[in-house]
Amino acid sequence: AQKVTQAQTEISVVEKEDVTLDCVYETRDTTYYLFWYKQPPSGELVFLIRRNSFDEQNEISGRYSWNFQKSTSSFNFTITASQVVDSAVYFCALSAHTGTASKLTFGTGTRLQVTL
Amino acid sequence: DGGITQSPKYLFRKEGQNVTLSCEQNLNHDAMYWYRQDPGQGLRLIYYSQIVNDFQKGDIAEGYSVSREKKESFPLTVTSAQKNPTAFYLCATLGSEQFFGPGTRLTVL
Repeated sequence: AQKVTQAQTEISVVEKEDVTLDCVYETRDTTYYLFWYKQPPSGELVFLIRRNSFDEQNEISGRYSWNFQKSTSSFNFTITASQVVDSAVYFCALSAHTGTASKLTFGTGTRLQVTL
Repeated sequence: DGGITQSPKYLFRKEGQNVTLSCEQNLNHDAMYWYRQDPGQGLRLIYYSQIVNDFQKGDIAEGYSVSREKKESFPLTVTSAQKNPTAFYLCATLGSEQFFGPGTRLTVL
């Protein structure tokens, strides 16, 4: 069975602080994908990143960076110099192949509140 | 523009009524999904379909039904058997990533 744990329910930071959102996953598959999505108050999910299980390189995209460590089954997300617009719920997800279809298993999300 | 449309955005239903949520996509993706989101929780998979005329139950399919008669369309019916249907429903397709529609917020009165 697949499982994604986001232990941080809610995080509050002051603008310009750095913040790390944790994600720990469980899977028996050797090939899998990990995702991060952002859900602003409007409700629509915004794709941030996809990482496959064979690529452990860290990735940076502007103020966003991701740290994938297979040894600890973690895929953490860091926002550098946070801004008010970063306030949202962030979901980590894991995809598994079941037959011919892929299914995403989501964590419960981390609500990030960035204040001035 | 390519994307996923869901209608309506807000839906109100009386107890005991069936209601159908629409999901249409023009991304030409084969796989389509329905998720349910409750407050403070992640998304849970209701049904998914890999190809036309074929679909599989997800983790919480009880009280729901779907059809996939066209590649572009994957409507979800919330039946009266669903005991707690008030939630936010998201439709998605799968390409290089999972694309999501804007969602339908269903409230049972």
